[in-house]
Amino acid sequence: EADIYQTPRYLVIGTGKKITLECSQTMGHDKMYWYQQDPGMELHLIHYSYGVNSTEKGDLSSESTVSRIRTEHFPLTLESARPSHTSQYLCASSEYGRSYEQYFGPGTRLTVT
Amino acid sequence: AQTVTQSQPEMSVQEAETVTLSCTYDTSESNYYLFWYKQPPSRQMILVIRQEAYKQQNATENRFSVNFQKAAKSFSLKISDSQLGDTAMYFCAPQGGSEKLVFGKGTKLTVNP
Repeated sequence: EADIYQTPRYLVIGTGKKITLECSQTMGHDKMYWYQQDPGMELHLIHYSYGVNSTEKGDLSSESTVSRIRTEHFPLTLESARPSHTSQYLCASSEYGRSYEQYFGPGTRLTVT
Repeated sequence: AQTVTQSQPEMSVQEAETVTLSCTYDTSESNYYLFWYKQPPSRQMILVIRQEAYKQQNATENRFSVNFQKAAKSFSLKISDSQLGDTAMYFCAPQGGSEKLVFGKGTKLTVNP
């Protein structure tokens, strides 16, 4: 199993709250990604990073923000959660120049009430 | 790859039988990787098999093999001797630009006893 962790695994929170989803990997991978996935549906890339202090928006527009201050850590923040943010969020990482295989975390299932 | 099509939203197979999941994609890249990922119910996304586009030989990983036809931009996954543990969502993911992966909508595979 890949060494990539996400916390919390499940989160139920009220509208308007600020939340941070944590993602950490111990593999020393330079590249990290956040995907949004509705149950049984495709993955949409919302953020990615190719290294410390590098972040880019993905293909799906998202109100969330990310930061990459340390190689191993790639948190995602929602300043004001809304019911439309209810989804599963998957974090992934990959090693630069090594076949582009991505390793996935277990995901955070977010419900905004 | 810019678009990925998995034309079978759901499939079912009897235990010990063989099943093939289809995937077609569109890309302007000449050299790239393609992946099949598996996402079991409520479990982590894991890599099933990887194919390098410049290699003519189809990749094989135990009971899993691919039929890669580069000119036709087709990348199907064959699962032999299906097992109950193969029940999962399967995602085709060719490499897109900037070393990102582009995921299809997935095929939900159910293996029946």
